[in-house]
Amino acid sequence: DAKTTQPTSMDCAEGRAANLPCNHSTISGNEYVYWYRQIHSQGPQYIIHGLKNNETNEMASLIITEDRKSSTLILPHATLRDTAVYYCIVRVPHGSSNTGKLIFGQGTTLQVKP
Amino acid sequence: KAGVTQTPRYLIKTRGQQVTLSCSPISGHRSVSWYQQTPGQGLQFLFEYFSETQRNKGNFPGRFSGRQFSNSRSEMNVSTLELGDSALYLCASSYGGWSGNTIYFGEGSWLTVV
Repeated sequence: DAKTTQPTSMDCAEGRAANLPCNHSTISGNEYVYWYRQIHSQGPQYIIHGLKNNETNEMASLIITEDRKSSTLILPHATLRDTAVYYCIVRVPHGSSNTGKLIFGQGTTLQVKP
Repeated sequence: KAGVTQTPRYLIKTRGQQVTLSCSPISGHRSVSWYQQTPGQGLQFLFEYFSETQRNKGNFPGRFSGRQFSNSRSEMNVSTLELGDSALYLCASSYGGWSGNTIYFGEGSWLTVV
């Protein structure tokens, strides 16, 4: 079972920041949080990942709470092309036999509106 | 750098037939994993290969099998196809499959069983 909880859907106005929350209250200290998105009929696209610290790349920012029980993916200036299903995934730690496996939940459908 | 390449992109098979799907990972990546995506079940892990050895397996019947070659390319096979096998089959690769190594997905192979 997925170890994360995400809202089913969210709307965001074009040009505004999109903040996608994710709850992972049972996360272990050495488990990474990964974010992917999937635009209809395409393969999931990697966005960002983090362990403890906040992370930023050209696509998004990842804010992880101090207790690591939740995180937020931030798309700073959402465009219509950011409309997709966003998946938050907790990945088992290095050394586990399951580390190469991603467990997807239902994700959040983000609709960016003009 | 080329991404994960899957062939064929689309195919139609008849119930009872078998199918082989191919995946070329990103150059240098040694871990290849396969996922099935259906509207009802979402994205589900099939299996993962690392250095030609199956390292992890999801909860699928034995009709689903795979292999990895010495050049890290991988194939998956589904025998005795059923209507319920109609799905998007996704291949993903990473350098080592460890929790800090990002997993990248291909565009998928759309299989329709009639």
